[in-house]
Amino acid sequence: QVQLKESGPGLVQPSQTLSLTCTVSGFSLTSYSVHWVRQHSGKSLEWMGRMWSDGDTSYNSAFTSRLSISRDTSKSQVFLKMNSLQTEDTGTYYCAREDTMGITSWYFDFWGPGTMVTVSS
Amino acid sequence: DIVLTQSPALAVSLGQRATISCRASESVRSSMHWYQQKSGQQPKLLIYGASNLASGVPARFSGSGSGTDFTFTIDPVEADDIATYYCQQSRNDPFTFGSGTKLEIK
Repeated sequence: QVQLKESGPGLVQPSQTLSLTCTVSGFSLTSYSVHWVRQHSGKSLEWMGRMWSDGDTSYNSAFTSRLSISRDTSKSQVFLKMNSLQTEDTGTYYCAREDTMGITSWYFDFWGPGTMVTVSS
Repeated sequence: DIVLTQSPALAVSLGQRATISCRASESVRSSMHWYQQKSGQQPKLLIYGASNLASGVPARFSGSGSGTDFTFTIDPVEADDIATYYCQQSRNDPFTFGSGTKLEIK
């Protein structure tokens, strides 16, 4: 069955770099795109970026200068790297699989359980 | 960015109908999707393409609308439906989510 699972450090110091891994199973990264979405505690969801199935990437311009998404298809993993972390980056980070019913109609049909990241010294 | 506006909360009696609205700041055509998020859990897809029921989702859930005005309905509401419901648009980058509507039982 389709599964996604995020993993990461939990605690990151301000100004440091966050590195997260999304490990997927039940589908191929060359067939489906995977997105990163974050959620501040008690707040709404914020789309960060996407790894397309063809290996291309796209980012929310709010993060462009400090966000990078990559993948290792042999390990079925998608990576998120974000630098210059601040306390406002504290939250839960999710990876989600994209499904589509046509151009511009992309939605997230499976989500990982999320990984909590705290930015604090 | 397209802003999606949702009412913050809704209280409904068990067995009654719950209607949640989502208004987009510009047309998203039918590129609107709905998610349920229970406390401490990840979001779950319920409706895609404005009105299509996701796999395994009970027919008590439905969605409608196009352009800028969308409605998500639960009928009848059950106790297990207590959650926050989010709309999400994919018409334009960046994808954006509504602020969420928290469903409470009267």
